This record gives sequence, structure tokens and C-alpha cells, in this order.
Amino acid sequence: KQEVTQIPAALSVPEGENLVLNCSFTDSAIYNLQWFRQDPGKGLTSLLLIQSSQREQTSGRLNASLDKSSGRSTLYIAASQPGDSATYLCAVRQGSLTGANSKLTFGKGITLSVRP
Amino acid sequence: GAGVSQTPSNKVTEKGKYVELRCDPISGHTALYWYRQSLGQGPEFLIYFQGTGAADDSGLPNDRFFAVRPEGSVSTLKIQRTERGDSAVYLCASSLTLGEQFFGPGTRLTVL
Repeated sequence: KQEVTQIPAALSVPEGENLVLNCSFTDSAIYNLQWFRQDPGKGLTSLLLIQSSQREQTSGRLNASLDKSSGRSTLYIAASQPGDSATYLCAVRQGSLTGANSKLTFGKGITLSVRP
Repeated sequence: GAGVSQTPSNKVTEKGKYVELRCDPISGHTALYWYRQSLGQGPEFLIYFQGTGAADDSGLPNDRFFAVRPEGSVSTLKIQRTERGDSAVYLCASSLTLGEQFFGPGTRLTVL
């Protein structure tokens, strides 16, 4: 059974700092990995999707990397801003011989606070 | 609309009652997913539709939970004889087949 872990559960940094959020998963046979942002009381906003054949994806100040063999992904946020404060979740979609499983398996998320 | 929509945004009900939660996916998305998120946890998978059929319902916790998607677009999640433990945020997502999943704002269900 796939398990996704995100540590630490919470992180507080001063504005302007570059930071890395970690995600690990137990079964490396994944189809893809998605990073999401969730604001309090809101739904999930997709940030980046990395296919299993890719090593990284970039969008603006965000860069996500994937090391499938070691079961790890990182989300790098450059020059953090107070508006980046939110919970960041990673989720994996399992692969299989006949195609990808449908569901995403999520971590519990990392709650980020960026202090002005 | 451009995104996934869910109604109602909040639902308060009494233990034992029946509730229906609605999801309108992004137009053209053939895949639709339901997840449940409890406080401080990541979303947990409930059921996945490809078109009109439930391709994977392995996440439904018990037979009080049922979902339909009769015309391959809008989906309804139905919960019978609600229990306090059903209180959570119910999230719906849609995608092109095997594509990036886009989530709605969720329905917060509170069972008193």
C-alpha cells in the first residue's frame, strides 16, 4: 500500500527566504506526482505535475523535482512571500502494467507560514 | 464555468439523515473523482468515474455511501443514515483521462 509522508508538518520562515518542502513515498512504481496548495477553508489548487519519466518541472518561483527510485520529491520555493502561506500537499498516482491507477494518494501536507 | 463547482458549500445535518452532495466537473473532462478530507489530514480517495461508470469504488467506507454520474457529467455523492464520523470536507476533482486532477472548493459536511 502506497504511503506518502511530508515532514515537517509545519514550517515558519521569514520573507525572502528560499525553501524546500519534502515529500517521500514508499512505492516507487508511480505514474505521476502532483503538488497542490490549499488555503484555509478552500479546495486544492494544482501547482505542478511531474510525470514518472521527468526529473523536474518549473512554474514561476516554484520548482518541483522527482527522484522516483529513492521515493522522493521536493518543492522548491524561491524568494518566499507572505502570500505563499498555505498548506502544501503532494500526491502520487500509482502506475501499473495495464496503465495508471485512478486515485491520488496524498500526504498530510506541510503548513507554511511566511513572516513579513 | 471554468472550474469544478460543488454544491452546497456547507451542509449541516442531524445524525441518521440522508444527504446528497453535487459536483459539476470541468466541461469535457471524462474522469471524475470524490475524496474526503478530515481536519489535519490529506484527502482520501472515495470513488472514481470514467464516463458514466464507477471504475473504482474501493475507497467508499461502507454501503451507506453511494455515488452516481448518470450522464457522464454531473455527479452526486449520496450518504444514507449519516453518522458523526462522516463529518468532513468532501472534495470533487475532474480530469482528462489520466491527466492532471483539478479540484473543486469542497462541501463541508457537519453531522450533529
